[in-house]
Amino acid sequence: DIQMTQSPSSLSASVGDRVTIACRASQGVRNDLGWYQQKPGKAPKRLIYAASSLESGVPSRFSGSGSGTEFTLTISSLQPEDFATYYCLQHYSYPFTFAQGTRLDIK
Amino acid sequence: EVQLVESGGGLVQPGGSLRLPCAASGFTFSDYYMDWVRQAPGKGLEWVGRIRNKANTYTTEYAASVKGRFTISRDDSKNSLYLQMNSLKTEDTAVYYCARDLGTRGGDYWGQGTLVTVSP
Repeated sequence: DIQMTQSPSSLSASVGDRVTIACRASQGVRNDLGWYQQKPGKAPKRLIYAASSLESGVPSRFSGSGSGTEFTLTISSLQPEDFATYYCLQHYSYPFTFAQGTRLDIK
Repeated sequence: EVQLVESGGGLVQPGGSLRLPCAASGFTFSDYYMDWVRQAPGKGLEWVGRIRNKANTYTTEYAASVKGRFTISRDDSKNSLYLQMNSLKTEDTAVYYCARDLGTRGGDYWGQGTLVTVSP
């Protein structure tokens, strides 16, 4: 199975900050990776697909990069509604695997 | 508008069974692969399994943690997805989400989830 590891596990930041979350795969997943945002009590929402493509309707302050085993999600200027938990998901091979998540909260 | 609505959650004893339906609307259900994902209370997301479409002979994939105990099926005539859960364990306690074709470039969609609690 492919193991997905995110860093950091938690992060405190302020409105307007630039934030980067890293996701590492234990073996190459090409660009078969998505980034999800989840708020308490809600279903996850995909922000980025194919590692770097922005989902329709998602603000342009979100961006993704990487390929193979190293990926990043960047939020260029944090907004109040961005405080949530973020997950990466590899769908390159079965079983699909999520990383453990990064909790982003207000400093 | 794409909608996925899970139901059937509740309290069940260890060793018991439960079947979760997921009703789909707003898209051509029969065209898509469908997934189940779960989330234990206060924990991260875990992919449970997938069922492919008719063109791919409805084949399935499962996470190791549920293989042999859970079965995913679908009824395209009813636009419905199912998760049959047998031999339930306390560690299966989670919110269960159905999702449309995780990873697809056409947008993936999730239901609101249904809570399954496995407890004596």
